[in-house]
Amino acid sequence: DTEVTQTPKHLVMGMTNKKSLKCEQHMGHRAMYWYKQKAKKPPELMFVYSYEKLSINESVPSRFSPECPNSSLLNLHLHALQPEDSALYLCASSQYSGQGDEQYFGPGTRLTVT
Amino acid sequence: KNQVEQSPQSLIILEGKNCTLQCNYTVSPFSNLRWYKQDTGRGPVSLTIMTFSENTKSNGRYTATLDADTKQSSLHITASQLSDSASYICVVRLNTGGFKTIFGAGTRLFVKA
Repeated sequence: DTEVTQTPKHLVMGMTNKKSLKCEQHMGHRAMYWYKQKAKKPPELMFVYSYEKLSINESVPSRFSPECPNSSLLNLHLHALQPEDSALYLCASSQYSGQGDEQYFGPGTRLTVT
Repeated sequence: KNQVEQSPQSLIILEGKNCTLQCNYTVSPFSNLRWYKQDTGRGPVSLTIMTFSENTKSNGRYTATLDADTKQSSLHITASQLSDSASYICVVRLNTGGFKTIFGAGTRLFVKA
């Protein structure tokens, strides 16, 4: 199984809502990532978890809150988002946090904030 | 400043034709360079990875080259198919012991019948 799954596929939420994005992998990978991608732009790294500990937080606003309950799961909790947060949110995983490890990306969650 | 620049921004070719996409980078210290294919609304999929000492790497109809001296890479697609229509993203990883990667803006390829 070389798949990273993400749910939901699409999400529409108001600015006062609280929602969560979920990501799961069963490849035994120990590093997991959240990226944000706006249309026609490359993905931007948001967070990296390595061995279930937050390793990188790229100065993301606190309205985005990551959580790594175990080595297979990665959540992104959303609260009080702004319309400009509408984007494709990609989850990825890699075996280790080493230099050459390939990141496997999930299909993404298309988020629209109204 | 660490940057990855790709050209062209977009490209339209006829099915069956070949094409070459370019990636120039000013990333240092360099660790590796990957080419990803991203279908619209989907996550990127890795095509090739190249380290400092590698010049050419192939994956089916995709052939990547790397010139570490000039800091240039190319992705050549042979005998294009309609399913090759996608964005192709060049990603360079820094050799700083962490996760730092620099993404190019991508080349949007359209293959027409």
